Amino acid sequence: QVQLQQSGPGLVKPSQTLSLTCAISGDSVFSNSAAWNWIRQSPSRGLEWLGRTYYRSKWYNDYAVSVKSRIIINADTSKNQFSLQLKSVTPEDTAVYYCARDRDWNYDYWGQGTLVTVSS
Amino acid sequence: QTVVTQEPSFSVSPGGTVTLTCGLTSGSVSTSYYPSWFQQTPGQAPRTLIYSTNTRPSGVPDRFSGSILGTKAALTITGAQADDESDYYCVLYMPSAIWVFGGGTKLTVL
Repeated sequence: QVQLQQSGPGLVKPSQTLSLTCAISGDSVFSNSAAWNWIRQSPSRGLEWLGRTYYRSKWYNDYAVSVKSRIIINADTSKNQFSLQLKSVTPEDTAVYYCARDRDWNYDYWGQGTLVTVSS
Repeated sequence: QTVVTQEPSFSVSPGGTVTLTCGLTSGSVSTSYYPSWFQQTPGQAPRTLIYSTNTRPSGVPDRFSGSILGTKAALTITGAQADDESDYYCVLYMPSAIWVFGGGTKLTVL
């Protein structure tokens, strides 16, 4: 059974960097059939896919246009986890953030969600 | 930028059939967009009902089905039940290798 466990602060100051981690159990971040995604949800923006990382003999990343200049998604292979960094946050980045596995076009496992509030 | 469109709201009678759609502001949805459908209740992560146009994960009742109808992806609920009252979201895989969610449909069963 795959589990994704999210961790990270729930409060970030404007202009700072939002950082979240998603620890994977029951699968490997090196999986050749999975991609590891970050998705957020807010009342104003609905569900918004932010980006993903995946391994196919080498590491690949894809990012949403809306955040492409501010986002980094990395895999930490020593800990079997992946992370989200979103720079220069504003109150518009306040949302519930989810990590999720996409395997063969199926978003089959999700993290528990983390409410991140951007406020001074 | 292409936007993914969904009906903001829909209602269905108990036992009835409803079809929700997922389109593009520019172009047609095909199986190459690998449309997925999610059900979400408040406070919970989305739950996949359909992926890759018409594949149902194990545990999802067969009254949920997916298809392409004309230029849109479609989710059909046959024999609607009270606990189908939820928010439904679609997501499409764009040619640029990114996923884009629709704005969601609030389904009322009454």
